[in-house]
Amino acid sequence: NAGVTQTPKFQVLKTGQSMTLQCAQDMNHNSMYWYRQDPGMGLRLIYYSASEGTTDKGEVPNGYNVSRLNKREFSLRLESAAPSQTSVYFCASTLNPLGNTEAFFGQGTRLTVV
Amino acid sequence: DAKTTQPNSMESNEEEPVHLPCNHSTISGTDYIHWYRQLPSQGPEYVIHGLTSNVNNRMASLAIAEDRKSSTLILHRATLRDAAVYYCILRPPTNFGNEKLTFGTGTRLTIIP
Repeated sequence: NAGVTQTPKFQVLKTGQSMTLQCAQDMNHNSMYWYRQDPGMGLRLIYYSASEGTTDKGEVPNGYNVSRLNKREFSLRLESAAPSQTSVYFCASTLNPLGNTEAFFGQGTRLTVV
Repeated sequence: DAKTTQPNSMESNEEEPVHLPCNHSTISGTDYIHWYRQLPSQGPEYVIHGLTSNVNNRMASLAIAEDRKSSTLILHRATLRDAAVYYCILRPPTNFGNEKLTFGTGTRLTIIP
């Protein structure tokens, strides 16, 4: 059981380039989330999808777009990367948005923008 | 959203119990209390959650104050592998406008051999 899979694991971009971070879960979860974590900091929510077909902004959505491609997949796109977007990105999923469900996280994508 | 407050860091000796505190004085009556931990260079992992009663699982115990304004994560016998950042978060029971899953900065636990 793979859980939450993120690709790629590492990426270096030049300023202004675009890229899409991929996230897939195989647990039939309804809700999915994207976070960024800067060095020595906590997790900050970028976007989330409470259920297939819906997406909403989190705490730090500027500079990002998301697509809930289907129930399994939730992608994060950087249209024009900036050095301030250098961070580790984590994807997570939960069975549903209800409070008694646990979240499962991927191993992260380490992104450097130069 | 109800907030949680945790100490920035704690230290504990190996093979001794560890008590990690969390204050959540504005918790609503139906918020669930969740704990996650993040090992170095890894994604966060679920530890435990509860509502009102104390909870135990293979990883830890969760002690919830009677007024629910604070909770304590208990690691019964710390090992070096338990060195991590521990996050205490609150999750509301419904999904009407409360779908976010937000984290604070957590407590960095150092285990001393």
